[in-house]
Amino acid sequence: GNSVTQMEGPVTLSEEAFLTINCTYTATGYPSLFWYVQYPGEGLQLLLKATKADDKGSNKGFEATYRKETTSFHLEKGSVQVSDSAVYFCALSGKTGANNLFFGTGTRLTVIP
Amino acid sequence: GAVVSQHPSRVICKSGTSVKIECRSLDFQATTMFWYRQFPKKSLMLMATSNEGSKATYEQGVEKDKFLINHASLTLSTLTVTSAHPEDSSFYICSAAPGGGATREQYFGPGTRLTVT
Repeated sequence: GNSVTQMEGPVTLSEEAFLTINCTYTATGYPSLFWYVQYPGEGLQLLLKATKADDKGSNKGFEATYRKETTSFHLEKGSVQVSDSAVYFCALSGKTGANNLFFGTGTRLTVIP
Repeated sequence: GAVVSQHPSRVICKSGTSVKIECRSLDFQATTMFWYRQFPKKSLMLMATSNEGSKATYEQGVEKDKFLINHASLTLSTLTVTSAHPEDSSFYICSAAPGGGATREQYFGPGTRLTVT
């Protein structure tokens, strides 16, 4: 079946530090992979996505590469800001489009000045 | 951008009563809406998928008679938790997908915290 395992938080970093949030998945077939972000008091927002192996999704300085050989989709950012403080969710979809999303548990990131 | 609202954001109810949660797409028409449930430190779990004007499709293990879903218009879906019990206490999140296209992104609401006493 489909599942996502995500690095447990919380993660606390100083401003301008390097961020990695690990995500690995189990899926049948060839899933699409997503990172969603939830800022305090708001709904989940799509941060980036990749739809096939070796694709790199990027947005707002965040990147993640779809690694089929390691079944991973780790989120990285070279220099975090206080405004990046949020909960980050890794997810996969087994079908074309965004139906039937399977989520990881979420990782809370706090960036301190 | 696409905005989805949920109401109420928090609700406390007594055991045995029913609670209705609304999910609205504010600036687009949503042919499909999804309802998720999130337990503390757990993943979001898809409960059901609803298409406007038709019956919802429930995921395995979700009681359709307990979690009533109505998607009466292209901008509104409701989830009613009937005869709520303390174990129904959870964070409920909806999402909405605009119509058309092979790839449809989901836009999420801010969630509703339900506490059953």
